[in-house]
This record gives sequence, structure tokens and C-alpha cells, in this order.
Amino acid sequence: AQSVAQPEDQVNVAEGNPLTVKCTYSVSGNPYLFWYVQYPNRGLQFLLKYITGDNLVKGSYGFEAEFNKSQTSFHLKKPSALVSDSALYFCAVRDGGDGGFKTIFGAGTRLFVKA
Amino acid sequence: DVKVTQSSRYLVKRTGEKVFLECVQDMDHENMFWYRQDPGLGLRLIYFSYDVKMKEKGDIPEGYSVSREKKERFSLILESASTNQTSMYLCASSSWGDGYNEQFFGPGTRLTVL
Repeated sequence: AQSVAQPEDQVNVAEGNPLTVKCTYSVSGNPYLFWYVQYPNRGLQFLLKYITGDNLVKGSYGFEAEFNKSQTSFHLKKPSALVSDSALYFCAVRDGGDGGFKTIFGAGTRLFVKA
Repeated sequence: DVKVTQSSRYLVKRTGEKVFLECVQDMDHENMFWYRQDPGLGLRLIYFSYDVKMKEKGDIPEGYSVSREKKERFSLILESASTNQTSMYLCASSSWGDGYNEQFFGPGTRLTVL
């Protein structure tokens, strides 16, 4: 069965500093990995995804994520945080080998960027 | 831009009422999903549909049903609302693509059952 874990409920970072939001996953086949962001009072927005190919993927708003197969991780990163990045971030995984449609979401990590 | 709309942003209902949540997408997507979002639990899949009149149970289908009579519309029905169904409900859609296409989400409906 597939699963995804976001080990931190909350991440605090100062504006201008690099940020990392952690995600680990478990699937039996090849993983399809996603990051979504939810700003206050809004629905989730897609940030980036890894399907295959280059382990470093770049997405919206300057975010990037690195797929690490040996550590089964897909951490979200940004070189310089902005106050406007403060939001709830969700990692999600789909098992590419099971032929189904189900995507599993993590519990979410709240990012606070302080000015 | 892809747009997913949900019929209500906020809804208050009483225990035992039948509740309809409507979702409409305008991008001709094949797949549509209903999730509930609860603090600390992330998103949990209630039902999804990959075609008109087709539906599949997700992880927590009990107490819910769905209807998809047209491709653009996916309805979630709470047959007899209970207080433990108080939650944020999110609708999403995605194009056909063997699961590697991202989902587009509506703004959510915050349902309170009294």
C-alpha cells in the first residue's frame, strides 16, 4: 500500500533564508510525486511534480524539489523564502505501478515565514 | 485557466438532513474527485469518478454517495448528515493520464452539521 509522511507539522523560517519542507513516501511501484500549496481560504494549487527523468524538478513561485530514490524522499525547497510563501503545503504520492487512480496526500506542513 | 467551482463556500445543516454539494469543472476533464480535509489528517478521498456515470469508492465512502450525470459535474451527497461530517470538502478534477496528471481543486465548502 502506498503512503506519504510529512514529519513536521510546522516549519518556521526567516524571510530571505532557504526553506525545506520534508516528505517521505512508500510505494510498491514507481512513484509519481506531487507538491500542492493551500493559501488561507483557498483551494489547493499544484506546485510541481516528479514522474520520471531528472531528480531535481522546478515548479511555480521559485520552488523546487529533489527526488531521492534511496531515501524515498521528495523534499520541497526554495533558496530564499518570502513572507507570501506562508501557507499549508501538502506532499502527495501515486503508485505508478498499480493501475489505479488514487493519490495519497500527507497530513500537511504549515510554513511560517517571518519578516 | 482551469476552473473548478463549488456551489457553496460555507454551509450549515442540521443532523439528519440530506446535503448536496455540487462541483463543476470547465476543462473537459475525465477524472473528478471528492475529498474531505481535516486538521492533522490531510486530504482523504471519499469518492472519485473517471467517466460519466462511473464512480469508485475512496478511503472513507461511508455516509456519502455521489452522482455524475454529466462530464463537467460531480455531486457529493450526504444521505443523512451527522456531526462527524463537519469538515472542509474539496472537489478536484484531472485529465486522463494514468495518474501522472496533477489535480485542479475548487475553493472548498466548509460544512458544519449541528
